[in-house]
Amino acid sequence: AQSVTQLDSQVPVFEEAPVELRCNYSSSVSVYLFWYVQYPNQGLQLLLKYLSGSTLVKGINGFEAEFNKSQTSFHLRKPSVHISDTAEYFCAVCRNSGNTPLVFGKGTRLSVIA
Amino acid sequence: KAGVTQTPRYLIKTRGQQVTLSCSPISGHRSVSWYQQTPGQGLQFLFEYFSETQRNKGNFPGRFSGRQFSNSRSEMNVSTLELGDSALYLCASSLASGSTSTDTQYFGPGTRLTVL
Repeated sequence: AQSVTQLDSQVPVFEEAPVELRCNYSSSVSVYLFWYVQYPNQGLQLLLKYLSGSTLVKGINGFEAEFNKSQTSFHLRKPSVHISDTAEYFCAVCRNSGNTPLVFGKGTRLSVIA
Repeated sequence: KAGVTQTPRYLIKTRGQQVTLSCSPISGHRSVSWYQQTPGQGLQFLFEYFSETQRNKGNFPGRFSGRQFSNSRSEMNVSTLELGDSALYLCASSLASGSTSTDTQYFGPGTRLTVL
C-alpha cells in the first residue's frame, strides 16, 4: 500500500517570498506523484504530476516539484508567491501499474501574507 | 467543455436517513471516482466506476454504495446516516482509457453533507 506524509499542516509566507511545501511518500512499488490545490469552497485542481522522465516537473501558476526517489520525496516549490496562492495543497500518489486510486496526504494550508 | 458537476451542493440530513448524491463527469470521461473529505481524516477514496462497473473500492462500510449509468453519470448513496458521515463528498472524472492511472482526474466542487 502507498502512503503520503505532508510534513507541514500550515505554512505562512509573505507575498513575493519563495515557498516549499514538503511531501514524502512510502511505497513498495513504483508510483506516479501528483500535487493538487484546493481553493475555498471548490474542488481540487491539478497543479502538476510526475509520471516518468525528468525529475523536475513544471506545473501551472509557476509551481514546480522535484521527484527524489532516494529520499522518496516530491516537494512543491514556487519562487515568488502571490496572495492568490492562498489555498490548501495536497500531495497524492498512486501505483504506476493498473488503474489504481489516488492516496492523498492530509494537506498543507498555505497562507500568503501581504 | 463543461467541468464536473455535482448536485446538490449542500445537504442537511438527520441520523438514520439515507442520501443520494449525483455526479456528472466531463463529456467523454468514462471513469468516475468518489472521495470523502473531512478535517480529521483528509481525503479518502470511496470507490471508482468505469463503464458502469465498480473497478476499485476503498475501505468504507457497506452503507456507502454507488453506481454508474450508461452516460457515465454516477450516483453514490449512503444509508442509515451517522453523525460521522458529515463531510465534503468529491467526485472526480477522467478518461482512464489506458492501463495505468496517467490520466488527470478532474474534480467537481463537491457536495457538503451535514448530518444532524
